[in-house]
Amino acid sequence: DTGVSQDPRHKITKRGQNVTFRCDPISEHNRLYWYRQTLGQGPEFLTYFQNEAQLEKSRLLSDRFSAERPKGSFSTLEIQRTEQGDSAMYLCASSQDGIQQPQHFGDGTRLSIL
Amino acid sequence: AQTVTQSQPEMSVQEAETVTLSCTYDTSESDYYLFWYKQPPSRQMILVIRQEAYKQQNATENRFSVNFQKAAKSFSLKISDSQLGDAAMYFCAYRVNNNDMRFGAGTRLTVKP
Repeated sequence: DTGVSQDPRHKITKRGQNVTFRCDPISEHNRLYWYRQTLGQGPEFLTYFQNEAQLEKSRLLSDRFSAERPKGSFSTLEIQRTEQGDSAMYLCASSQDGIQQPQHFGDGTRLSIL
Repeated sequence: AQTVTQSQPEMSVQEAETVTLSCTYDTSESDYYLFWYKQPPSRQMILVIRQEAYKQQNATENRFSVNFQKAAKSFSLKISDSQLGDAAMYFCAYRVNNNDMRFGAGTRLTVKP
């Protein structure tokens, strides 16, 4: 079990640039989640996938955000035309099916917008 | 709306003592799961303990136990024999159906040697 891995760990970019993050879930997990966490707050749900299907998107996920999981394995989260308010930790989690299944989190990608 | 409230932004405990972190939630669902996650500084979030709403017996995991009061919608975490390694942010989370989890704002626990 190699755990959930996220890349990069840190990303610093100028406002207006596009950024893309990658998440590799635990291999046998068919569910994959993206969260955003700002300083001093708990994670806020952004979106999740079951296999390659994106099943739910939060209202926090504006049209500048897009997520994909093309083959039901790794996922990418892209933010276009970044804004100062996008600065946060972006967490990925994966789980097996079932309400009782815990989500396993990655280390996150910290995004800083200059 | 489903919300999770952690009313204690910070707590501290003496090493080897016991501390209780509080959590309340609001839901109209009857079946759901509750979780406590631990997030050490600059490290990933890990599961501490979970509780199914239909089970009346409180969950325990070694030094960690919960006090689940369904009618009061309360789900507190008790850490016994606190250790320095327990210092972290603790998040209470709620999950209904098979969807995302809703997290509280967290409680920062400091353990004093």
